[in-house]
Amino acid sequence: DQQVKQNSPSLSVQEGRISILNCDYTNSMFDYFLWYKKYPAEGPTFLISISSIKDKNEDGRFTVFLNKSAKHLSLHIVPSQPGDSAVYFCAASAGMDSNYQLIWGAGTKLIIKP
Amino acid sequence: DTGVSQDPRHKITKRGQNVTFRCDPISEHNRLYWYRQTLGQGPEFLTYFQNEAQLEKSRLLSDRFSAERPKGSFSTLEIQRTEQGDSAMYLCASSPTRDSGNTIYFGEGSWLTVV
Repeated sequence: DQQVKQNSPSLSVQEGRISILNCDYTNSMFDYFLWYKKYPAEGPTFLISISSIKDKNEDGRFTVFLNKSAKHLSLHIVPSQPGDSAVYFCAASAGMDSNYQLIWGAGTKLIIKP
Repeated sequence: DTGVSQDPRHKITKRGQNVTFRCDPISEHNRLYWYRQTLGQGPEFLTYFQNEAQLEKSRLLSDRFSAERPKGSFSTLEIQRTEQGDSAMYLCASSPTRDSGNTIYFGEGSWLTVV
């Protein structure tokens, strides 16, 4: 049973436009969500996170939105740049002391077109 | 460089051989994790240390896998009698103990190919 789902395996966006990556979850106990970016042959790099007490967190070009009632979160990147081309993973955990229980989506490959 | 470092970055081994990977976490982080990732999947949790204590092991970690963190600093992950299904990227990550927030920081991974 996939508790964290990223239903779009890939997404293609024009440079300069907004990229929106989506993530759905099923476990209502999840209270912390993270987005990671991964280039080929490298480990994931932390991008941004959000606690369930918030519905929005912004860091530069990256904004994460959380809709708890819909069990949905999204990552917005604006404006999109060529270096943003990578695989983006959504991850979730339940409880402050459950780092190891990060549950990951399968990832969405973002392609930024020049 | 003060990030998580892993060694070796790539390893090709024959089926049945043993392999060992090393991870050096970020120096002030007392939590260390091992994950495994295959193509098209997110990372899968393998095991977790708080200082030198191994607090959690996934069912994925068969008895051919063993991880240690003897002094609470670096960690090793050993795979005995490797099988082709062990081919994957093995990721190490670390995090500090904090009152809130579960952000973990990954190394660049160690690619294992079993032939």
